[in-house]
Amino acid sequence: AQTVTQSQPEMSVQEAETVTLSCTYDTSESDYYLFWYKQPPSRQMILVIRQEAYKQQNATENRFSVNFQKAAKSFSLKISDSQLGDAAMYFCAYRMIYNQGGKLIFGQGTELSVKP
Amino acid sequence: GAGVSQSPSNKVTEKGKDVELRCDPISGHTALYWYRQSLGQGLEFLIYFQGNSAPDKSGLPSDRFSAERTGGSVSTLTIQRTQQEDSAVYLCASSSQGALARQPQHFGDGTRLSIL
Repeated sequence: AQTVTQSQPEMSVQEAETVTLSCTYDTSESDYYLFWYKQPPSRQMILVIRQEAYKQQNATENRFSVNFQKAAKSFSLKISDSQLGDAAMYFCAYRMIYNQGGKLIFGQGTELSVKP
Repeated sequence: GAGVSQSPSNKVTEKGKDVELRCDPISGHTALYWYRQSLGQGLEFLIYFQGNSAPDKSGLPSDRFSAERTGGSVSTLTIQRTQQEDSAVYLCASSSQGALARQPQHFGDGTRLSIL
């Protein structure tokens, strides 16, 4: 069975600084998707960034980028120039491509606080 | 509406009562998912609907939980004889594709269920 692990329950960063959130996963599949979702206090899950496993190039979305290490099964999120609005719970998620209907398997989450 | 709509936003009920949670997906989305988020935890998959196919119920924790999707649109998650461990936030998501998995899942704001 696939599992996703986030080993940092809480992280803190100074405004305008850079922070990296860790995520590891376990799977026997060769093709899959990985995601980072942000969940502010409003509860809505917001997609931050997505990575296809068959792509070697790391995904980037403005201030957000990932370090995808397929062999190590590692998928970390880097937030550059942190802003107060980045404070939220961040969830790493895995999704199979061809089976199981595309359900997401989530890690336990990392709560990020941003200090002004 | 433009997004996934869930109702009620909050629900408080007594142990042993039945509850119904509603999800209205984004128009045209064929795939619909229910997840449960217990306090301080990641999201746990419950059930998945794709078009007119039989739903994937593999995540339902007990036979007290059931869900239906009428007309391929609105879905209702029903919990019978509620227990205190059912207290959680129940999140619904929809996407325009299911098994192909590339399209992201769009989440609603969830229903916070509290069992007294």
